[in-house]
Amino acid sequence: EDQVTQSPEALRLQEGESSSLNCSYTVSGLRGLFWYRQDPGKGPEFLFTLYSAGEEKEKERLKATLTKKESFLHITAPKPEDSATYLCAVQASASKIIFGSGTRLSIRP
Amino acid sequence: DTEVTQTPKHLVMGMTNKKSLKCEQHMGHRAMYWYKQKAKKPPELMFVYSYEKLSINESVPSRFSPECPNSSLLNLHLHALQPEDSALYLCASSLTWDSYEQYFGPGTRLTVT
Repeated sequence: EDQVTQSPEALRLQEGESSSLNCSYTVSGLRGLFWYRQDPGKGPEFLFTLYSAGEEKEKERLKATLTKKESFLHITAPKPEDSATYLCAVQASASKIIFGSGTRLSIRP
Repeated sequence: DTEVTQTPKHLVMGMTNKKSLKCEQHMGHRAMYWYKQKAKKPPELMFVYSYEKLSINESVPSRFSPECPNSSLLNLHLHALQPEDSALYLCASSLTWDSYEQYFGPGTRLTVT
């Protein structure tokens, strides 16, 4: 069964304390893995697309990496404005996209 | 411009009302989506339109009726909803329905009384 699991469920960091969020997946054929940021009461904001193992993408303090079984979202020296829920989604086929349950990230000043 | 717009932002309706949610994008995307999101849960896919044709209906009750009048517009018609249908309804679009990132609108917060 196709599945996407994100961990941890919630993460509290001090400002400047780097860490990583995990998205592990089990799908029959990966067509793309997407990372989104979602603020409360708003729609998800697209961050990255990864297509193949070994691929990496960066944007400001965020870096996404992909292996054959999981993806990591690394956050370097986070700021309070990075607080949000980070969602991982996997496109398992042309007609199937699966979202993980998200990681709620809180950065304390 | 990577903007998807949705109206209204908030909607309160009774169980006997008929209302519609609207979504618009001008990015030339040919796939559009409706999602339902409950608090602290990920978005749940409801419908997918590809090239203005309904491609996927994820077993959504008939009280939700989607419509795609043209490649830029997507509507969701609501009728006889239940209180458990209260949620954030998100519209998204992507270049095509195949391995492309989706861009989401801000959502409509729906409350059914």
